[in-house]
Amino acid sequence: EAGVTQFPSHSVIEKGQTVTLRCDPISGHDNLYWYRRVMGKEIKFLLHFVKESKQDESGMPNNRFLAERTGGTYSTLKVQPAELEDSGVYFCASSPVAGSSTDTQYFGPGTRLTVL
Amino acid sequence: AQSVAQPEDQVNVAEGNPLTVKCTYSVSGNPYLFWYVQYPNRGLQFLLKYITGDNLVKGSYGFEAEFNKSQTSFHLKKPSALVSDSALYFCAGRKAPNFNKFYFGSGTKLNVKP
Repeated sequence: EAGVTQFPSHSVIEKGQTVTLRCDPISGHDNLYWYRRVMGKEIKFLLHFVKESKQDESGMPNNRFLAERTGGTYSTLKVQPAELEDSGVYFCASSPVAGSSTDTQYFGPGTRLTVL
Repeated sequence: AQSVAQPEDQVNVAEGNPLTVKCTYSVSGNPYLFWYVQYPNRGLQFLLKYITGDNLVKGSYGFEAEFNKSQTSFHLKKPSALVSDSALYFCAGRKAPNFNKFYFGSGTKLNVKP
């Protein structure tokens, strides 16, 4: 079974440019999550999709970030325009179950974003 | 407020020696605690979790973690470290009412030297 995949693995862009990150969850997983680790700090939750619907976007830092999951399969996270503080590693995770204290989320390798 | 904390950025241990990676938590009610590991160029991999029951939880790759309610800790341990255990370790927790998101610590880099 293929795991969670993310593309690209690395992205280097100039401040003010746009970047789109992609996440393909494990097949059949209705729940998809985005997290971010900035400057070697803790990994922080960004948002949660259930199929194509945003269940929780409380962690999205500002309106420069736009996440979509059309069709309930893969998801994209667009940053427009990118700022220096957006640099970090963006992780995607998926799970078959939501709302459970015990279920495991399966994480992708992350996309390392560098904004110059 | 920080729910999970990892006080050490880095832990160095010699191969064959026991290792401990520390994690403390601060949540009201029942804590739900997890350990994940990230090897280079790989995704976060689930190691083990504490929900209820035995305070000593056994997980993958010979790792175990001890839940200590009085010290609000959930330290990751292994009796004998391997060089291949060198990786980045994250402690994570969940809290009611929203179990959909993890609260992660800042990560601890484990270096196991031959």
